[in-house]
Amino acid sequence: SYVLTQSPSVSVAPGQTATITCGGNKIGSKSVHWYQQKPGQAPVPVVYDDSDRPSGIPERFSGSNSGNTATLTISRVEAGDEADYYCQLWESSSDHYVFGTGTKVTVL
Amino acid sequence: EVQLLESGGGLVQPGGSLRLSCAASGFIFSTYPMSWVRQAPGKGLEWVSGISGSGDNTYYADSVKGRFSISRDNSKNTLYLQMNSLRAEDTAVYFCAKVRGSSRVNPFDIWGQGTMVTVSS
Repeated sequence: SYVLTQSPSVSVAPGQTATITCGGNKIGSKSVHWYQQKPGQAPVPVVYDDSDRPSGIPERFSGSNSGNTATLTISRVEAGDEADYYCQLWESSSDHYVFGTGTKVTVL
Repeated sequence: EVQLLESGGGLVQPGGSLRLSCAASGFIFSTYPMSWVRQAPGKGLEWVSGISGSGDNTYYADSVKGRFSISRDNSKNTLYLQMNSLRAEDTAVYFCAKVRGSSRVNPFDIWGQGTMVTVSS
């Protein structure tokens, strides 16, 4: 089965940039989505289709995808960005949706 | 307002059954594929099952295949998950989620608030 690997945690000071990676075999050939989840809440999409932002999501959230790594970048990090972040894609060969292992972003 | 509201969670003994429901509103329900996603306590998100807009096509994670059954009633704007032969490892919050657009490649753009399922004796 297809596996998406994320680093467990990222710590960043306010105003700095957080970079969250999602590794998968030839993930650059797939469409990757990113979700933010705060404690006790449902996930919220923050990036669609590698790099598009849903309406209402700040421009500080951006994404890219190439080779074996997809990346979510949060610029000018704010305290309210502290959350778990998950990558996700549809794996056509297995007809399965796949989520990454998740990354906890801590704002120092 | 586009909304998904899950119900049906609770405490069930190992080997038991439970049926979850997800009531949809604010969009043309029959147009969109839907899925169930779960999250065990303190763990990450795990996709469980998906269904096409018409209900003709269904998909399951290997961990639940043969035990869980997804269905939908488009006349009632409701998604279901029938869970049989439940195990302790099925304990989780279960979310229903709507796919944006008609393609499975698309993301989940709307999520419910989740319903807790606890499997324990």
